[in-house]
Amino acid sequence: GAVVSQHPSRVICKSGTSVKIECRSLDFQATTMFWYRQFPKQSLMLMATSNEGSKATYEQGVEKDKFLINHASLTLSTLTVTSAHPEDSSFYICSARQGYSNQPQHFGDGTRLSIL
Amino acid sequence: QQQVKQSPQSLIVQKGGISIINCAYENTAFDYFPWYQQFPGKGPALLIAIRPDVSEKKEGRFTISFNKSAKQFSLHIMDSQPGDSATYFCAASLTDSWGKLQFGAGTQVVVTP
Repeated sequence: GAVVSQHPSRVICKSGTSVKIECRSLDFQATTMFWYRQFPKQSLMLMATSNEGSKATYEQGVEKDKFLINHASLTLSTLTVTSAHPEDSSFYICSARQGYSNQPQHFGDGTRLSIL
Repeated sequence: QQQVKQSPQSLIVQKGGISIINCAYENTAFDYFPWYQQFPGKGPALLIAIRPDVSEKKEGRFTISFNKSAKQFSLHIMDSQPGDSATYFCAASLTDSWGKLQFGAGTQVVVTP
């Protein structure tokens, strides 16, 4: 149980393109989803927290107009990197949690984004 | 400011040995302490977690020891296997803060045959 699917697993695109990443909870309803960014050999950095039907809450320093998050249903959240540039290249990972905030987060397998 | 400090940065252990990773935290309000295992190119997978009302939790070869007064917790991997070679992250969260996880810097564990 508690499977989180992330798609695509890898994307390579040209600078200026917008890229959408999907995060789905397959066997549970995710009240809250989180989006992280991870650089090579570093820890996970929380970008934003999204609750179903509400606007996402972004961490300090994360541009909300650059990283658009939509959590339209209890099983799907999307992250759109708008007008991506090479510095946006990174490993993006989502997680999902069922129920209250004392429940564990379950992570997807990440999306490797490379901007040329 | 890193709220959870993790050590060591890397660890090499022989097959059958014990891997020990330590974490320390500052915020005494943290009430959930999970450990995650991450393989290259994959997302973190929840390994084991503990709450502050318990001093130790064991699941198979993995044990968390928790010292509330010292604000420290550790992961012990008993009988380490080559398949345990991965990066391990400790984390802490606060129920009142949407359960947002504060991660440690990670420990790369290599188990030699």
